[in-house]
Amino acid sequence: QVQLVESGGGLVKPGGSLRLSCASSAFTFSDYYMSWIRQVPGKGLEWVSYISSDASYTNDAESVRGRFTISRDNAKSSLYLQMNSLRVEDTAVYYCASVGVGGYFDSWGQGILVTVSS
Amino acid sequence: ELVLTQSPGTLSLSPGERATLSCRASQSVSSSSLAWYQQKPGQAPRLLIHGPSSRATGIPDRFSGSGSGTDFTLTINRLEPEDFAVYYCQHYDGSSFTFGPGTKVDIK
Repeated sequence: QVQLVESGGGLVKPGGSLRLSCASSAFTFSDYYMSWIRQVPGKGLEWVSYISSDASYTNDAESVRGRFTISRDNAKSSLYLQMNSLRVEDTAVYYCASVGVGGYFDSWGQGILVTVSS
Repeated sequence: ELVLTQSPGTLSLSPGERATLSCRASQSVSSSSLAWYQQKPGQAPRLLIHGPSSRATGIPDRFSGSGSGTDFTLTINRLEPEDFAVYYCQHYDGSSFTFGPGTKVDIK
């Protein structure tokens, strides 16, 4: 069974930085596109960023473009999200997910809370 | 920019009833890139349907998806107690992803 486990969340001040990690197991990580999705507690889902299987292509939502950077290390079966210039409105639970061929998210991590507050 | 609208916002039903959830796109989209998710409180979303009618692994056959163009439907036949949750539709246009705002199915 595919396992995705996020880490690195926590409390950070506005303007600060944080790096999220997502460790995977039980699937061939290097074959999959991967993505980050976030959810403000009690609200809906928002796609954040995604990366191709070989890291040659990435794309980000407009709300985070220029501030967040997605990356991956296939040798370590790990996905990352470097978050800079954090804003209060970036407060959310962040999920990593694998991306199926049709652009659907077929496996999800349990999520990690990022709180941006002074 | 694509907008997905889901209706109703909340659907109040009893176990055993049928739930019909709608997802409408602001422009015609490829049905092969439309998916549905279920999310329960405190849990990550779970893929139910993709493409728009293929059930994900382990999803019971009481869940079905249909639609094309701008109108898509998730149907849950004979609601079980564990089906009361929030449901999201989602589309991929080849470079970005869009989620609908969700429909909450709660117990009447």
